[in-house]
Amino acid sequence: DTGVSQNPRHKITKRGQNVTFRCDPISEHNRLYWYRQTLGQGPEFLTYFQNEAQLEKSRLLSDRFSAERPKGSFSTLEIQRTEQGDSAMYLCASSLAGNQETQYFGPGTRLLVL
Amino acid sequence: KNEVEQSPQNLTAQEGEFITINCSYSVGISALHWLQQHPGGGIVSLFMLSSGKKKHGRLIATINIQEKHSSLHITASHPRDSAVYICAVPNYGGSQGNLIFGKGTKLSVKP
Repeated sequence: DTGVSQNPRHKITKRGQNVTFRCDPISEHNRLYWYRQTLGQGPEFLTYFQNEAQLEKSRLLSDRFSAERPKGSFSTLEIQRTEQGDSAMYLCASSLAGNQETQYFGPGTRLLVL
Repeated sequence: KNEVEQSPQNLTAQEGEFITINCSYSVGISALHWLQQHPGGGIVSLFMLSSGKKKHGRLIATINIQEKHSSLHITASHPRDSAVYICAVPNYGGSQGNLIFGKGTKLSVKP
């Protein structure tokens, strides 16, 4: 399967713990996006990378959130000191930068903070 | 910042019916995305269009750039079409960068 993959698919954690999610984009894609989706809402943009550079961060991304894409391939999203409000689906998408780019989405990581 | 409104929020149809889902946005764009999300969360990109109409199987997407409006149509609907349909536009009105999503239209097609 050469699509976007995310791990883990589900994560249950206790409040205050740190969690890390991984996204593996389509191999030739140079752009990678992280989104968060809460129940009943559309996804919301968190951050995106072009190659290894983090080009944009949403104000939704508090200091407890950090994302990296060290070699311009896979990316990790870490949440420190998780709060119950962090419970959501975390979606990753990748694309090939261009005039009209299609973003390809991964299956998401569903986080539940108890 | 672009704002996206979808209607209806929920839609129930009988198998075989013609479905229309609408999307309006506030800032002029060069392309709009239609996405499908099944229970369990996975999102599939259906269309990206910048003008006129696109067709893929029983799905048809249209866009009117001047009126800042797009529609997604499903002909001869089937229970397997049951999903949430989401439209998304670029945040800053361009064709690149992050996307702003509508809240989605939850479609349920009954046999």
